[in-house]
Amino acid sequence: SYVLTQPPSVSVAPGKTARITCGGNNIGSKSVHWYQQKPGQAPVLVIYYDSDRPSGIPERFSGSNSGNTATLTISRVEAGDEADYYCQVWDSSSDHNAVFGGGTQLTVL
Amino acid sequence: EVQLVESGGGLVKPGGSLRLSCAASGFTFSSYSMNWVRQAPGKGLEWVSSISSSSSYIYYADSVKGRFTISRDNAKNSLYLQMNSLRAEDTAVYYCAREGAVAGDFDYWGQGTLVTVSS
Repeated sequence: SYVLTQPPSVSVAPGKTARITCGGNNIGSKSVHWYQQKPGQAPVLVIYYDSDRPSGIPERFSGSNSGNTATLTISRVEAGDEADYYCQVWDSSSDHNAVFGGGTQLTVL
Repeated sequence: EVQLVESGGGLVKPGGSLRLSCAASGFTFSSYSMNWVRQAPGKGLEWVSSISSSSSYIYYADSVKGRFTISRDNAKNSLYLQMNSLRAEDTAVYYCAREGAVAGDFDYWGQGTLVTVSS
């Protein structure tokens, strides 16, 4: 089965740029989606199709995907961005399963 | 406004059964694939099952295959998850999530319902 690997944690100072990676075998050939989850809340889609933003998501959130790594970039980080972030793809190599990365806890220093 | 409201969670003994429901509103339910995603306490997200708009295509995670059954009633704008032979490791918050029409993302989520499997 397909595996997505994320760093458990990333720390960044306010106003700086946070980059959260999502590694997978030839992930660049897949569409990657990113979710933000704050404590006690349901996940929220922040990036779809590698780099598109749903309406209502700030332009500070961006994404890229190439080779074996997809990246979620959060510019000018704010305290309110502190959350867990998950990447997700569909794996059609074995049936049709959605796969999530293990999640990355973003801490704003 | 898109709304997804789960219900049916609770405490159940190992080996028991539970049926979750998800009531959808604010969109044309019959046009979208739907999914169940769960999250064990303190853990990450785990996809459980998906069902296409007309129920023609149904998929399950290996961890629940043969024990869980997903279904939907488009006339009632409702999604269901029948969970049998429950195990302690099934303890989690269960979310229903709408699958985006094009990209395969999960664009809307419910607030979740907690299932606890314990004797």
